Amino acid sequence: SQKIEQNSEALNIQEGKTATLTCNYTNYSPAYLQWYRQDPGRGPVFLLLIRENEKEKRKERLKVTFDTTLKQSLFHITASQPADSATYLCALYTGGFKTIFGAGTRLFVKA
Amino acid sequence: NAGVTQTPKFQVLKTGQSMTLQCAQDMNHNSMYWYRQDPGMGLRLIYYSASEGTTDKGEVPNGYNVSRLNKREFSLRLESAAPSQTSVYFCASTLAGGGTDTQYFGPGTRLTVL
Repeated sequence: SQKIEQNSEALNIQEGKTATLTCNYTNYSPAYLQWYRQDPGRGPVFLLLIRENEKEKRKERLKVTFDTTLKQSLFHITASQPADSATYLCALYTGGFKTIFGAGTRLFVKA
Repeated sequence: NAGVTQTPKFQVLKTGQSMTLQCAQDMNHNSMYWYRQDPGMGLRLIYYSASEGTTDKGEVPNGYNVSRLNKREFSLRLESAAPSQTSVYFCASTLAGGGTDTQYFGPGTRLTVL
């Protein structure tokens, strides 16, 4: 079955630096991959979607890449701010009405 | 627009008790979902409803039942709660259900079963 691996260790970076989070998956490459943000005590919020035929997608300070050969997606936040501190979830569409989510990586941005 | 709302926010049950988690969305979405989130694990799909009048099992349906009451509301019932069902439960909705659909999540219900 499809599995997702996200770095379980928290990522600590300094304000202004670029944060890079990794999402690795096994088995087949999904047609779509999404990234969500989750703040403590809240539900996930959608950030970006990337299709399998897209290498890169950008939205403001966010950038997502999708490498179907490596079976990996990278999520970048440039010029990071303390307000970017949250847990970021990778999600893979597996068909029909089903999406599987990674456990997420916590990001801490220090001022 | 309230989006997706869930009640209650917190609940403590004793083993064997039953309860229903309520979820409603005001975005006129067709599809609704129930997930559970446990520490160190991703969101796991319990049940989903592709459209009004239909429900299907997800990855971890055992111990749960659902009802799609109407287009807006989708409830999750625990008939006989067990400590293994201690978790945070999220309801979500999508306009349709394809891979490009954004999932909109509620704020979650924190359930503890003693």
